[in-house]
Amino acid sequence: TQLLEQSPQFLSIQEGENLTVYCNSSSVFSSLQWYRQEPGEGPVLLVTVVTGGEVKKLKRLTFQFGDARKDSSLHITAAQPGDTGLYLCAGRGSNYKLTFGKGTLLTVNP
Amino acid sequence: NAGVTQTPKFQVLKTGQSMTLQCAQDMNHEYMSWYRQDPGMGLRLIHYSVGAGITDQGEVPNGYNVSRSTTEDFPLRLLSAAPSQTSVYFCASSYSGQGTREQYFGPGTRLTVT
Repeated sequence: TQLLEQSPQFLSIQEGENLTVYCNSSSVFSSLQWYRQEPGEGPVLLVTVVTGGEVKKLKRLTFQFGDARKDSSLHITAAQPGDTGLYLCAGRGSNYKLTFGKGTLLTVNP
Repeated sequence: NAGVTQTPKFQVLKTGQSMTLQCAQDMNHEYMSWYRQDPGMGLRLIHYSVGAGITDQGEVPNGYNVSRSTTEDFPLRLLSAAPSQTSVYFCASSYSGQGTREQYFGPGTRLTVT
């Protein structure tokens, strides 16, 4: 069974601060996805990383895939209240199934 | 495109009752799946389908049935509801085959079993 550990589980910060969320595993994934979920809604895909060492940027969000494709990080610069939500990482192995981490609940206070 | 739609949005059942959660997508995706989301447990895969007529079990299939008669629809049936099935249920779809297969999620069904 492939497991993804996300840390921290909860994060509460002030507007304008920077933060990093981590997603770690002992397994290798062919790709890794990051989703954001807002209360009462389904997860929405933010980005997919495929290549070891890959870095993708989405406005103030920077995603990195580890060289060995076992881990990933999400860095948010100058967080805003609109960034509040549950951030989920999901790794795809050699089959159709996605393995989800348990998520990081981020609260950005104005 | 409506994307992935789910009905109902909320449902309360009594122990032992049965019901069907509906899921439909209009993106012509081959792959569809059902997840449940519980506090502290993340998203857990219940059942999935790689195309019409093909279904398979996920991580937590007990107490649930699925069928896939068309590409668009993938209903989830609770045979005899139990309080342990109180959860938020999400349906998702994606393309299958080669590629990263990003999933599109529906808005969820919040189910309470008393």
